[in-house]
Amino acid sequence: EIVMTQSPATLSVSPGERATLSCRAGQSVSSNLGWYQQKPGQAPRLLIFGASTRATGIPARFSGSGSGTEFTLTISSLQSEDFAVYYCLQYNDWPKTFGQGTKVEIK
Amino acid sequence: EVQLVESGGGLVQPGGSLRLSCAASGFTFSTYWMSWVRQAPGKGLEWVANIQQHGSEKYYVDSVRGRFTISRDNAENALYLQMNSLRAEDTAVYYCARDPMTPPFDYWGQGTLVTVSS
Repeated sequence: EIVMTQSPATLSVSPGERATLSCRAGQSVSSNLGWYQQKPGQAPRLLIFGASTRATGIPARFSGSGSGTEFTLTISSLQSEDFAVYYCLQYNDWPKTFGQGTKVEIK
Repeated sequence: EVQLVESGGGLVQPGGSLRLSCAASGFTFSTYWMSWVRQAPGKGLEWVANIQQHGSEKYYVDSVRGRFTISRDNAENALYLQMNSLRAEDTAVYYCARDPMTPPFDYWGQGTLVTVSS
């Protein structure tokens, strides 16, 4: 299975600042990469798929980039509701595998 | 509005069985692949199993193959996960997720907690 590695494990950011999260795949997953946001006690929510396409209703401050093995999720100006855990998911190969998550916390 | 509502979780002893259900509404259930995804307490997400629209194809993560069975009833808009020979490491919140492949897991239920402990 493809191992997905996210960094950093925790990112401390002030509201209004930019956050950059990384996800690395153990082998190429083309652009078959998604990003999910999960808040405490809630189900994950799809943010990005196809590495860079925002899901329905997702604000423009969320953007994704990358292909192959290196991917980035950028939150351009952090809002209070963006503090959460973010997971990447590869769906290029079976089984679909998630990264271990990056927690974005208030600095 | 797409809604997925899981039920059936609870406390079960090691070696026991449990059947999870997921009631779907707000979309044409019979036209979508569906998945179960789990999350152990304080841990990350793990895909568990998925099922094709008419139930003819089913896939499992290695750790549950032979113990868990995914099924669906398109007439009832329901997804199921029969879990047998449960182990402590199966303790997790189990989520039902719509899985149209692209994008994957576009809608999720609120989850149901399964605790395997003596």
